[in-house]
Amino acid sequence: DADVTQTPRNRITKTGKRIMLECSQTKGHDRMYWYRQDPGLGLRLIYYSFDVKDINKGEISDGYSVSRQAQAKFSLSLESAIPNQTALYFCATSDHGTGTDTQYFGPGTRLTVL
Amino acid sequence: AQKVTQAQTEISVVEKEDVTLDCVYETRDTTYYLFWYKQPPSGELVFLIRRNSFDEQNEISGRYSWNFQKSTSSFNFTITASQVVDSAVYFCALSEAESSGDKLTFGTGTRLAVRP
Repeated sequence: DADVTQTPRNRITKTGKRIMLECSQTKGHDRMYWYRQDPGLGLRLIYYSFDVKDINKGEISDGYSVSRQAQAKFSLSLESAIPNQTALYFCATSDHGTGTDTQYFGPGTRLTVL
Repeated sequence: AQKVTQAQTEISVVEKEDVTLDCVYETRDTTYYLFWYKQPPSGELVFLIRRNSFDEQNEISGRYSWNFQKSTSSFNFTITASQVVDSAVYFCALSEAESSGDKLTFGTGTRLAVRP
C-alpha cells in the first residue's frame, strides 16, 4: 500500500461548489503539506502543518482552507471553487524528528473547475 | 527570499546520450537543503536526492550524478547514458533550515524527452 494517499484522484466540479481533497499517510510523519502544480509554474505551497495544532499559510492560501484531523490526515477545502483553481494538487509529508526533512509526495489529485 | 531557477524548460536527447539538468538557487541562509524530484508521465513525484549545504561532495547513484557547487550556487544533475524511461519532468527544490523551516521552494522544472 502507498504511504501517502490522496482522494479523489480526479475530480471535475462546477464553479461555486465546495470541494474537499483528502490526504492520509501511514509514514508516521508529523509534518504535512498541500501544493498545487500549474503548467510552467512548478509546485507552489498552499498550506502546511507541523503538527495537529500547528497550521500555517503558504505562498498561495487565498481561496483555500485546511483541516488537520489527526496526525495522519490533512484535508484541503475549496469553499467556492473557481476555474483558476484547476490544477494538480499534491499532498506531502516529512518527518522533522529524523532531521532529514525530506518531503514525500502523494500521487496527486487532478481537479478541474468548470 | 529563496529562489530556484531551472533555466532549461525542455531538453530532448537521443537514447544513450549524457544530459545535464541545471539548477541555480538563491538563499541567505547558511544552512539549507537541496533536492531533486522526478515526475514521470504518470504524474507522481519521486524523490531522488537530498543534499545539505555543508556537504559539497558530488554524489553518484548508478547513471545519476549530482554536482553541488556553493561558489556558483548550483546543484546540477547529470544522467549518463540516458534511457527512454528517464523521460520525465525534473524539479530542483530548496529548503532553508533557518528562515523557513523545511518548506520547499521548487523550480519550474525541466522536461526531459529521451528519444529511442
